[in-house]
Amino acid sequence: GEDVEQSLFLSVREGDSSVINCTYTDSSSTYLYWYKQEPGAGLQLLTYIFSNMDMKQDQRLTVLLNKKDKHLSLRIADTQTGDSAIYFCAESNAGGYNKLIFGAGTRLAVHP
Amino acid sequence: SAVISQKPSRDICQRGTSLTIQCQVDSQVTMMFWYRQQPGQSLTLIATANQGSEATYESGFVIDKFPISRPNLTFSTLTVSNMSPEDSSIYLCSVEAEAGGIQQFFGPGTRLTVL
Repeated sequence: GEDVEQSLFLSVREGDSSVINCTYTDSSSTYLYWYKQEPGAGLQLLTYIFSNMDMKQDQRLTVLLNKKDKHLSLRIADTQTGDSAIYFCAESNAGGYNKLIFGAGTRLAVHP
Repeated sequence: SAVISQKPSRDICQRGTSLTIQCQVDSQVTMMFWYRQQPGQSLTLIATANQGSEATYESGFVIDKFPISRPNLTFSTLTVSNMSPEDSSIYLCSVEAEAGGIQQFFGPGTRLTVL
């Protein structure tokens, strides 16, 4: 069945780059997403990538997709304390409807 | 992006009672979804709320436990029926910003605690 896996925790120093990794099993995934959830808040869509792309950059965010290995990563440049949150990777197969399959989330802690 | 609100934002309920959660969007959307996020866990899709027809439920979720209404293209409700402590979760609605679109936006969630 469909499965999305992420490491649970990442700690980085303020100003460094953060790399959050995700693997998925569904080879028919069409779109892959990164969401951010701050404490007590809902989910914020950060970025997404179509499966025929291998990279997407949006300001401090860089998404890399290795479709052969079914590996997705999110790089946050110049990480700030405001980036501390849980980051969820999700995949969808936009056939009949856009059902999202989420990973367990990676908790990013940014320290001075 | 669509602006989504949910009511209530949080509630504490007694076992055996029911709670109806409302989701309001500031624009007409074709697809609305309901997710559950159990404590410390990821999100799981409960059902797709279909306008003018019965909701489509995912495996493990049934209409008797989670009845859903979708009277129009901007509003939906999810009822959590006959609650038990295992229903304590955050319930989130989400929408696709445009028909056939690929961006899915989430509401702020409703934090439910069942005693």
